[in-house]
Amino acid sequence: AQTVTQSQPEMSVQEAETVTLSCTYDTSESDYYLFWYKQPPSRQMILVIRQEAYKQQNATENRFSVNFQKAAKSFSLKISDSQLGDAAMYFCAYRSYGGATNKLIFGTGTLLAVQP
Amino acid sequence: EAGVTQFPSHSVIEKGQTVTLRCDPISGHDNLYWYRRVMGKEIKFLLHFVKESKQDESGMPNNRFLAERTGGTYSTLKVQPAELEDSGVYFCASSHGVQGFSNTIYFGEGSWLTVV
Repeated sequence: AQTVTQSQPEMSVQEAETVTLSCTYDTSESDYYLFWYKQPPSRQMILVIRQEAYKQQNATENRFSVNFQKAAKSFSLKISDSQLGDAAMYFCAYRSYGGATNKLIFGTGTLLAVQP
Repeated sequence: EAGVTQFPSHSVIEKGQTVTLRCDPISGHDNLYWYRRVMGKEIKFLLHFVKESKQDESGMPNNRFLAERTGGTYSTLKVQPAELEDSGVYFCASSHGVQGFSNTIYFGEGSWLTVV
């Protein structure tokens, strides 16, 4: 069975600085997808960024980028130029490629605080 | 366009009582998911509907949980009788059409359940 591990329960960053959130996973599959979701306080969880395992190039979405190391089974999220609105719980998630279901396997989350 | 809506947002019930959580997916989304996060732990998959049919219910913890999706529209998740360990946040999510990487899964804000 696949597992996702986020070893940082809480992180803090100064506004305008850069922060990296860690995520490792375990799988025997060769094709899969990886995601970072963000849940601001009392708001909906939204997709931040996603990565297909067969793509070597790291995904980037504006100030958000990932460092995907397939051999190491690592998928970290880098937030550049942090903003107050980035404060949220961040969840790393895994999804198998194909199959009848689309279920996501989540980590325990990292609570990110942004200091002004 | 309205997002995924969940009701109630918060519920406090006594052990042994019944609670019904409701989810209204984004209009036109055939896929509907239920997830649960027990405090401090990972978000876990409960089940997946495709229209009114249960595609995958492998995550349902036991027979005290009953999920339905009437007419392929909104869904309810009933817990009867509730136990202390059922406390947590119940997330509903939906996505459109055939499963694929590009089909974003949209989450609701979650229903917080506290069993005392």
